[in-house]
Amino acid sequence: AQTVTQSQPEMSVQEAETVTLSCTYDTSENNYYLFWYKQPPSRQMILVIRQEAYKQQNATENRFSVNFQKAAKSFSLKISDSQLGDTAMYFCAFSLYNFNKFYFGSGTKLNVKP
Amino acid sequence: GAGVSQSPSNKVTEKGKDVELRCDPISGHTALYWYRQSLGQGLEFLIYFQGNSAPDKSGLPSDRFSAERTGGSVSTLTIQRTQQEDSAVYLCASSLEVTSAAAFFGQGTRLTVV
Repeated sequence: AQTVTQSQPEMSVQEAETVTLSCTYDTSENNYYLFWYKQPPSRQMILVIRQEAYKQQNATENRFSVNFQKAAKSFSLKISDSQLGDTAMYFCAFSLYNFNKFYFGSGTKLNVKP
Repeated sequence: GAGVSQSPSNKVTEKGKDVELRCDPISGHTALYWYRQSLGQGLEFLIYFQGNSAPDKSGLPSDRFSAERTGGSVSTLTIQRTQQEDSAVYLCASSLEVTSAAAFFGQGTRLTVV
């Protein structure tokens, strides 16, 4: 079975600072994909970043980057230069290489303070 | 369409009534997912349609829940004899059936059973 764990229910960060959200997962598979989604109060789930497990290089999208540690089954999200618009729920997600359902963590509520 | 469209946005129904929730996926996306999100919680997988294959219904919580997808496009999630614990946001997502594809979400339907 595949599981995704986000151990930080809520976090706060000052505007312009850097924050890291944690995610761990469990799987016996070797090929899979990892994602971070953002859900603002509008409810719209927005893809932030994705990582292929076979790639050692960490994915980066502008101010968002990941620290992917395959052996540790860890996939943390770093947000640099935090902005007020980054305030949202952040969900870590996982899907298998053979493309099945997406498994989601319980989410981390991020509050960016002015 | 340009994005995943769900209707209605909000639905209030009386306990015991049946409800139908609609999802119109992104054009060309053959994979379609339904998730349920209770207040402040993560995403609970309900059902997954993949092309012409039999759907993965393993997440449906009871036989009061059913879903169909007509013509490989629009999907309807039906909840019969609604209960108060069915109150939640129901999210639909679609994706391409290629490896590394991310899921794109609609804005959800907030269902309130009174």
